[in-house]
Amino acid sequence: EAGVVQSPRYKIIEKKQPVAFWCNPISGHNTLYWYLQNLGQGPELLIRYENEEAVDDSQLPKDRFSAERLKGVDSTLKIQPAELGDSAVYLCASSLAWDGEQYFGPGTRLTVT
Amino acid sequence: GNSVTQMEGPVTLSEEAFLTINCTYTATGYPSLFWYVQYPGEGLQLLLKATKADDKGSNKGFEATYRKETTSFHLEKGSVQVSDSAVYFCALVTGANNLFFGTGTRLTVIP
Repeated sequence: EAGVVQSPRYKIIEKKQPVAFWCNPISGHNTLYWYLQNLGQGPELLIRYENEEAVDDSQLPKDRFSAERLKGVDSTLKIQPAELGDSAVYLCASSLAWDGEQYFGPGTRLTVT
Repeated sequence: GNSVTQMEGPVTLSEEAFLTINCTYTATGYPSLFWYVQYPGEGLQLLLKATKADDKGSNKGFEATYRKETTSFHLEKGSVQVSDSAVYFCALVTGANNLFFGTGTRLTVIP
């Protein structure tokens, strides 16, 4: 069974540019999570989806970050415009149900110059 | 609020040495506790978990016991191998299934 797929794995952009990350969860997993992992830190939740509904986006900086999961499967996280402080690893995870074990993708490492 | 405090690394051990990575937590309610491992170039993987006080989680020779009285969930392994070199994260989950992670401890095992 395929795991959580994320792309790209690495991205380098200049500040003020937009960037988007894509996540394909494990087939059949209804709950999808985006986490931010700063260097030397543990992941922190940005947003959680139940199917296509964002049920917890309290930690998502909405002035520059947005996310969508239009058909309740794939999800995209966008930053516009990117700032130097956004350099981090962006992790996607999914679980079968809202209270299930979370499976993580390999992450996208973003560098903003 | 919810938080996890992990022993700072990095930790370097010789092969077959005993490993302990300390983890304490603060939580509202009755959390479940986890250890995740991140091997180089890979995503986070669940290593073990415990869902209530006095439960012991174990996997691949690693174990940790949920100690409510000391709010701890220390990770131990009796004999580490080079292949155990990775970053280990202690985490808790509350009723909403939101994971709260510690800062991670990098373990390097040398032959």
